[in-house]
Amino acid sequence: QKEVEQNSGPLSVPEGAIASLNCTYSDRGSQSFFWYRQYSGKSPELIMSIYSNGDKEDGRFTAQLNKASQYVSLLIRDSQPSDSATYLCAVASSGSARQLTFGSGTQLTVLP
Amino acid sequence: DADVTQTPRNRITKTGKRIMLECSQTKGHDRMYWYRQDPGLGLRLIYYSFDVKDINKGEISDGYSVSRQAQAKFSLSLESAIPNQTALYFCATSSAGVQETQYFGPGTRLLVL
Repeated sequence: QKEVEQNSGPLSVPEGAIASLNCTYSDRGSQSFFWYRQYSGKSPELIMSIYSNGDKEDGRFTAQLNKASQYVSLLIRDSQPSDSATYLCAVASSGSARQLTFGSGTQLTVLP
Repeated sequence: DADVTQTPRNRITKTGKRIMLECSQTKGHDRMYWYRQDPGLGLRLIYYSFDVKDINKGEISDGYSVSRQAQAKFSLSLESAIPNQTALYFCATSSAGVQETQYFGPGTRLLVL
């Protein structure tokens, strides 16, 4: 069974710090990787997608992908209390079905 | 108006009852999905559909059935609800292609007594 593992958390960082969220996956053929943010009781919201090795930056968010190590991470710079949420890593399976497999999520709290 | 809507948003039912959750989308996407979310377990795929005539089981389809009435509508049924089906249910949509970004509805919170 294809697996996606995230650091279990919860993770607390002070306001203004860098939050680092990590994810590993088992399907070596995976091509597409996503980070979703989910506030309590709300639906997941896509914040980053990455498809190639290396870094992808969007504002305060940077996604990093290393396919050789089967590892994807999300860095949040200048963390704000509004970033407090659960972050879900999702990996699209290889092959035509391209289902998303989600990690169990990492709960992040940014302390004022 | 929201692109992906789910009805009802909250539902309480009793063991053994049949219940239907509905999802509609205005994004024009061909692919639709049903997930359930339990605390600490992330999102798990129940069923997915790539078009009106294509229905596929996901990781946890037992006890559930689906109907794709139109490109924009995808319903999830619990034929005989049981308490361990108490969960938060999400519908999602995507468009075919490499980038397979999925967009989620607001969710339905279901309690089975």
